[in-house]
Amino acid sequence: DAGVTQSPTHLIKTRGQHVTLRCSPISGHKSVSWYQQVLGQGPQFIFQYYEKEERGRGNFPDRFSARQFPNYSSELNVNALLLGDSALYLCASSLGDRVKRGELFFGEGSRLTVL
Amino acid sequence: GDSVTQMEGPVTLSEEAFLTINCTYTATGYPSLFWYVQYPGEGLQLLLKATKADDKGSNKGFEATYRKETTSFHLEKGSVQVSDSAVYFCALGANAGGTSYGKLTFGQGTILTVHP
Repeated sequence: DAGVTQSPTHLIKTRGQHVTLRCSPISGHKSVSWYQQVLGQGPQFIFQYYEKEERGRGNFPDRFSARQFPNYSSELNVNALLLGDSALYLCASSLGDRVKRGELFFGEGSRLTVL
Repeated sequence: GDSVTQMEGPVTLSEEAFLTINCTYTATGYPSLFWYVQYPGEGLQLLLKATKADDKGSNKGFEATYRKETTSFHLEKGSVQVSDSAVYFCALGANAGGTSYGKLTFGQGTILTVHP
């Protein structure tokens, strides 16, 4: 079975541009979460979506937005890119809506470089 | 708010040495605790978990015990192998009754290098 897939794997943008990152969860998983991992740090929670509804939002500016589609795939959008947005963006899926009962399955991430 | 603190790294060991990576947390109530591992070139993988106090999570020779009295979840392995070289992250998840569904709070990670 396919795991969590993310695209693109690498991309380079310039300051002020917009980026869209995509994630396909494991088949049957209805929850998708997004994390930002800056080099040398642990992942930071950005969003969680469950059954196409936002269930959680981390401490990120409004330039960050996301959505989940009827097939449970998800997009993360970042507007007006800043140098500090350079990071590995991780998508994770889970079967249920609560981490306590299930585990998060992570994709390999999309590495964004902002010049 | 919730937070996780891991021991300063990196950690360098010889094969068959004993490993301890310290992890302490701050959270309200009774969070779930996790260790995730990130092998070179791969995504994060769940290594083990514990969902209530005194639970011991174990997998691939690694163990960690949920200690509520010391708010700790230290990772241990009795004999490390070269293949254990990776970055290890301690993390906590929200209480069962909380609203932070897919949110995990991660520590900063500890780089482990094991030499033959």
